[in-house]
Amino acid sequence: DAGVTQSPTHLIKTRGQQVTLRCSPKSGHDTVSWYQQALGQGPQFIFQYYEEEERQRGNFPDRFSGHQFPNYSSELNVNALLLGDSALYLCASSLIAGGAGGETQYFGPGTRLLVL
Amino acid sequence: QKEVEQNSGPLSVPEGAIASLNCTYSDRGSQSFFWYRQYSGKSPELIMFIYSNGDKEDGRFTAQLNKASQYVSLLIRDSQPSDSATYLCAVEEGQNFVFGPGTRLSVLP
Repeated sequence: DAGVTQSPTHLIKTRGQQVTLRCSPKSGHDTVSWYQQALGQGPQFIFQYYEEEERQRGNFPDRFSGHQFPNYSSELNVNALLLGDSALYLCASSLIAGGAGGETQYFGPGTRLLVL
Repeated sequence: QKEVEQNSGPLSVPEGAIASLNCTYSDRGSQSFFWYRQYSGKSPELIMFIYSNGDKEDGRFTAQLNKASQYVSLLIRDSQPSDSATYLCAVEEGQNFVFGPGTRLSVLP
């Protein structure tokens, strides 16, 4: 049973650059959520994609954008990188049940982004 | 925005003891609660979830939920050094989770 995969595992960028992170959900899952985790903090919700559309968004600026493909995989794009964007970016997948929320989310290994 | 609070720790317990981790949340309407374990440098892994008031047991782990008091706890029986990690409490908010800052647990041999 294939779990959630993410690429790349590590990334180093400079301020002002753009980055794209990728995620493939767990087999059988149709929903992808993205989180940012700064050192010593809990994950912060960025947005969630279902049926190729952004379903819900957290308190992140428009520099953060995403996409979901027909095979349920997803990308997170961050433009105009800031030093404060340095963090572990986590992808979590889930299966929409009744759509009422609260579906269990399973995390990928994460992408560690360092902005210099 | 919902808030989830946890003691950051570290919480130190001797091997074989019971570790008790607590979490409080702000939204009385929350229905689903999750505990994740995160080893240093790794991603969170699901331990268990609980939806109903009371206790839910899974092996050495017991989740306890009290919606009236708005807290959820995780008990780890017979703690092992391999249980040393950060434990994250998560509360559902619509289609996503709100996480607490995590409690760092250290199990001493």
